[in-house]
Amino acid sequence: EPEVTQTPSHQVTQMGQEVILRCVPISNHLYFYWYRQILGQKVEFLVSFYNNEISEKSEIFDDQFSVERPDGSNFTLKIRSTKLEDSAMYFCASSDRGRPSTDTQYFGPGTRLTVL
Amino acid sequence: KQEVTQIPAALSVPEGENLVLNCSFTDSAIYNLQWFRQDPGKGLTSLLLIQSSQREQTSGRLNASLDKSSGRSTLYIAASQPGDSATYLCAVSRATGRRALTFGSGTRLQVQP
Repeated sequence: EPEVTQTPSHQVTQMGQEVILRCVPISNHLYFYWYRQILGQKVEFLVSFYNNEISEKSEIFDDQFSVERPDGSNFTLKIRSTKLEDSAMYFCASSDRGRPSTDTQYFGPGTRLTVL
Repeated sequence: KQEVTQIPAALSVPEGENLVLNCSFTDSAIYNLQWFRQDPGKGLTSLLLIQSSQREQTSGRLNASLDKSSGRSTLYIAASQPGDSATYLCAVSRATGRRALTFGSGTRLQVQP
């Protein structure tokens, strides 16, 4: 069964450093998402991406964040200058064309980001 | 702003029991509602999606209902098993067609053998 994959599974970085989190969505999906979950808190939406552009973003997704689909398979989240409060589990998700019956979002296993 | 609440926060039941998890949302203008399962330290596994026009969806021992007008959904698990132990999350997306999911904080379920 197709699945969303994410690398790395765990990333440790120093405050102020740049990190890139990578995702490979399900191959025939057209909508891509990033969410994060700070330890003990709710899963929060960051950004959605469709047709090579951001379709929606939350207040969390400020100028330090960016997303890119550099080729036909990868979808990346870049955090330019990490802060301690960026420590969280970051989940990538993808969904089909968006018809109501096929709008299920499928999540990857997550990347745990630890900022020291 | 949409708020999603899940009750109870934690639940412990003996194996074989039928159980109901509750989810409520403040804005009834939703596009769809999804139930997920999250195992400790792991990703989210989609269990069921209910479109805003539907009343319920079933998958195996799981049945999810939706009452959009009252802002409520329930997840019914029949004949619970120890392997059902996990955190169950409810999430809704807005009716404007934006697909961002707003999540509840989850119900942590423990099924005792």
